[in-house]
Amino acid sequence: DAGVIQSPRHEVTEMGQEVTLRCKLISGHNSLFWYRQTMMRGLELLIYFNNNVPIDDSGMPEDRFSAKMPNASFSTLKIQPSEPRDSAVYFCASSFTGTAYNEQFFGPGTRLTVL
Amino acid sequence: DAKTTQPPSMDCAEGRAANLPCNHSTISGNEYVYWYRQIHSQGPQYIIHGLKNNETNEMASLIITEDRKSSTLILPHATLRDTAVYYCIVRVAVKVNAGKSTFGDGTTLTVKP
Repeated sequence: DAGVIQSPRHEVTEMGQEVTLRCKLISGHNSLFWYRQTMMRGLELLIYFNNNVPIDDSGMPEDRFSAKMPNASFSTLKIQPSEPRDSAVYFCASSFTGTAYNEQFFGPGTRLTVL
Repeated sequence: DAKTTQPPSMDCAEGRAANLPCNHSTISGNEYVYWYRQIHSQGPQYIIHGLKNNETNEMASLIITEDRKSSTLILPHATLRDTAVYYCIVRVAVKVNAGKSTFGDGTTLTVKP
């Protein structure tokens, strides 16, 4: 299995531009998590889905952020318009809720820089 | 989810056991203890989890106190590649909750030659 796949790995954009981050879950997994990591705030959970349904989006910073799961194996995190304070590493993780312990598998991350 | 407290940093000599403590005094009866680690520039990696019994796998051992208010992750023979930030997390593990995690600041373990 290829593991969780994220793209792009690096993104540099200018303030005000739309940014779309992508994530492909591990085959057979049914939960998807988006995290953001910065030096100041550490690793923060933004939103998570179970069976394509958003369960908790209380970590999403503001309306500029939106996340979707158009199908069971793929998710996008969109920032529109982007701001310099959005610069961070964004991770997605997947898990299978059929197990007793919900181990999460993380992707390699997308490093976003907003100028 | 219960809050955890970990020392910010620890050193360990290569080849020796690394013992990483975690306090979780407000843990609930249905909350598991999970450990993840994050090697520089990579995504976090699952290590081990437990409810109340001690657990061991190919990576590490987890010792949970009888009152479940603290635990220790043990890397029996630390190598330079074990240098990472180690996160202790407590959370419920039921289907409907979908495994939401709250990562704290973790412990930065530095393994020295």
